Amino acid sequence: AQSVTQLDSQVPVFEEAPVELRCNYSSSVSVYLFWYVQYPNQGLQLLLKYLSGSTLVESINGFEAEFNKSQTSFHLRKPSVHISDTAEYFCAVSDITGFQKLVFGTGTRLLVSP
Amino acid sequence: DAMVIQNPRYQVTQFGKPVTLSCSQTLNHNVMYWYQQKSSQAPKLLFHYYDKDFNNEADTPDNFQSRRPNTSFCFLDIRSPGLGDAAMYLCATSRGQGAAEQYFGPGTRLTVT
Repeated sequence: AQSVTQLDSQVPVFEEAPVELRCNYSSSVSVYLFWYVQYPNQGLQLLLKYLSGSTLVESINGFEAEFNKSQTSFHLRKPSVHISDTAEYFCAVSDITGFQKLVFGTGTRLLVSP
Repeated sequence: DAMVIQNPRYQVTQFGKPVTLSCSQTLNHNVMYWYQQKSSQAPKLLFHYYDKDFNNEADTPDNFQSRRPNTSFCFLDIRSPGLGDAAMYLCATSRGQGAAEQYFGPGTRLTVT
């Protein structure tokens, strides 16, 4: 079984500042890793994913995450945030076999203020 | 655009009155999932269908049922909603075996009065 820990329930940051949202996972098998973003009263949108290959993955809106197998982490970073990045961010894992059941962390609310 | 659609977006039902939530997809994906997300919590998988094969999570209450009459549609039936069932219900799809990414609908927010 897998589990995901997002230590920060809320991260306040000023606009144009850098941000890191932390994610650690536990699994006895190889996993896929995901970050999803959820805006108020909306469903989840995939932000980025790690399946294999390069451990650094990037999204189209400036976020990046790095898979670190030794530290079992998949932290999300952005060098300069915008007001529009305010949302809930969920880290998720699935094992690479079967139906890839997603196991989510408890989420981190990113609050960007002017 | 191919997508996952959920209707209605907001549903109010009375305590104990059966309610059905609807999900449809134009992605032609094999797998459809239902998640329950309570306020400020992570989504929790209730069950999923791989084609017509139904897979229930061990801790999903019997009060929750699902139907998938065809590839495009999947329904979530709550037989006797309690106050604790108030939540956002998310439908998702994926291609199936070997496919990692799930595509989510916008969700249905259920209120139980």
